[in-house]
Amino acid sequence: QQQVKQSPQSLIVQKGGISIINCAYENTAFDYFPWYQQFPGKGPALLIAIRPDVSEKEEGRFTISFNKSAKQFSLHIMDSQPGDSATYFCAASGTTGANNLFFGTGTRLTVIP
Amino acid sequence: EAEVAQSPRYKITEKSQAVAFWCDPISGHATLYWYRQILGQGPELLVQFQDESVVDDSQLPKDRFSAERLKGVDSTLKIQPAELGDSAMYLCASSPALDDGYTFGSGTRLTVV
Repeated sequence: QQQVKQSPQSLIVQKGGISIINCAYENTAFDYFPWYQQFPGKGPALLIAIRPDVSEKEEGRFTISFNKSAKQFSLHIMDSQPGDSATYFCAASGTTGANNLFFGTGTRLTVIP
Repeated sequence: EAEVAQSPRYKITEKSQAVAFWCDPISGHATLYWYRQILGQGPELLVQFQDESVVDDSQLPKDRFSAERLKGVDSTLKIQPAELGDSAMYLCASSPALDDGYTFGSGTRLTVV
């Protein structure tokens, strides 16, 4: 059973455009929602994370929007650049007890010049 | 910047052989995770350690997989015997404590032939 559902599977965006990736979860015990960026042959790297006490968090060109009632969260990449081309994973975990992350299936983003 | 070290980077092994992977977490990180990432999918937790104790190994196929972290520092993941379906990226991650975000290593790419 997939704990975190992610869409789209792949995304092609023009340089300078906005990339939007969406995730949904069911487990209301989840209270930590990170996004990871992964380049080929590398491990995932933490990009940005949010907790449910806020509805939005921005770090540079990256923004997480969080809708607790809908159990959905999304990543927005503003002014997308070719260097942003990578696979992006959303994830979720609880912070009581073991906090292992449950990952989405990933979105392969391609930013074309 | 501190890194999670993993070795080897790549491993090719024949079906039914034994294989082992090594991970050295960031110094001082008490929590260590082993994840498996099948090509095109998100990482899935295999085992989680808090110091030298196993916190969660519910998804570890214990008939063939074993993991240890004897002194609460570095860790070894072993597969014996390897099967074709074990071909994947094996990722190690560490965090300072159970409720902190964590850092992944670059992984070991295993190919079973």
